[in-house]
Amino acid sequence: SAVISQKPSRDICQRGTSLTIQCQVDSQVTMMFWYRQQPGQSLTLIATANQGSEATYESGFVIDKFPISRPNLTFSTLTVSNMSPEDSSIYLCSVAQGAGSTEAFFGQGTRLTVV
Amino acid sequence: AQKITQTQPGMFVQEKEAVTLDCTYDTSDQSYGLFWYKQPSSGEMIFLIYQGSYDEQNATEGRYSLNFQKARKSANLVISASQLGDSAMYFCAMRGPSGGSYIPTFGRGTSLIVHP
Repeated sequence: SAVISQKPSRDICQRGTSLTIQCQVDSQVTMMFWYRQQPGQSLTLIATANQGSEATYESGFVIDKFPISRPNLTFSTLTVSNMSPEDSSIYLCSVAQGAGSTEAFFGQGTRLTVV
Repeated sequence: AQKITQTQPGMFVQEKEAVTLDCTYDTSDQSYGLFWYKQPSSGEMIFLIYQGSYDEQNATEGRYSLNFQKARKSANLVISASQLGDSAMYFCAMRGPSGGSYIPTFGRGTSLIVHP
């Protein structure tokens, strides 16, 4: 199983600022995903982070708002840019070893509050 | 496209009793995986149990078991001997090759409250 360290665990930010969330995995993984979970809601996929190429974004999410980096097979960052109170959510990093892997693992999550 | 449906927004159970959390799914994939996660108030997602679509036996992990009925496309989670620490949100998810992406799809979740 993969152990994922996600930082920060929580933050309170001023509107208009940006926050970068880090996701570090203890082993090389093929697939990394970033999710957003708004209060009382389920998880919504933001993007799939691809090593060595640009992230693939889901409908409703754009690179200018949520830039993602994936410099190697063990690390990724998600930046929430120009934040507004509507960005207050839990952001989760998830990894999977490959297409046929049986499990998907999650980081501890980042609880973001924008004031 | 894949879809997960959890029809129970909230469930209550008495400590030490068993509880079943419902999950139905829809997919055109032949090969897929079904997952259950627990999310306590801290926000982290804790992997509980996995069932592969070709697994003939129901998955079990300690007090958790997955009641997999493939023909009915259901994958209910059974928690035996509930404990106060089981109070949390529970999410059902699936993962398959749909569209080549293998991206996990999540249900809306069920809030479980265990009473002493």
